Amino acid sequence: GQNIDQPTEMTATEGAIVQINCTYQTSGFNGLFWYQQHAGEAPTFLSYNVLDGLEEKGRFSSFLSRSKGYSYLLLKELQMKDSASYLCAVIDSNYQLIWGAGTKLIIKP
Amino acid sequence: NAGVTQTPKFRILKIGQSMTLQCAQDMNHNYMYWYRQDPGMGLKLIYYSVGAGITDKGEVPNGYNVSRSTTEDFPLRLELAAPSQTSVYFCASRDRENSPLHFGNGTRLTVT
Repeated sequence: GQNIDQPTEMTATEGAIVQINCTYQTSGFNGLFWYQQHAGEAPTFLSYNVLDGLEEKGRFSSFLSRSKGYSYLLLKELQMKDSASYLCAVIDSNYQLIWGAGTKLIIKP
Repeated sequence: NAGVTQTPKFRILKIGQSMTLQCAQDMNHNYMYWYRQDPGMGLKLIYYSVGAGITDKGEVPNGYNVSRSTTEDFPLRLELAAPSQTSVYFCASRDRENSPLHFGNGTRLTVT
């Protein structure tokens, strides 16, 4: 079966750096998304990786290793507004999106 | 440019009632999706469509129905509502198979 694993919850301190990991086993791979979802709101797109390596976008970076079935989202200079759930999703060989359950990130002052 | 618009935002149904959740997008996207999200859980795909006149089942289609008569609209029909259908429903669209999804703001449905 297809599976995506993310930690359920993480806690970090304002101003610090946090890395949220995502491992996947899917039938094929056509890309990986990271989404942010604040409580009670819709998911919003953060990043897309299809090739190995690091994609940087301001305070957020996303890394992919296709051979290891692994990605991470790196958040720097954490702000209170970064408290949210972070969803990892993989596009499989049929171009269907396989979603992880999400990682709830709690930022403490 | 409104993006993806869902109505209503909230609804309370009694067991056995029916309703239609509306979804419209103005981005001319071919691909549209309906997801449900239960508390603390990921997104579960209910139905999807790759273009007008074409729909297909996702992983949790039972108790739901869809239609796609136009590119813009993708309504989700609940027949004989059950408490297990209490959830938040998100509609989403994208223009290509590997493009990011654009989500509507969601419909919070309670069945009692």
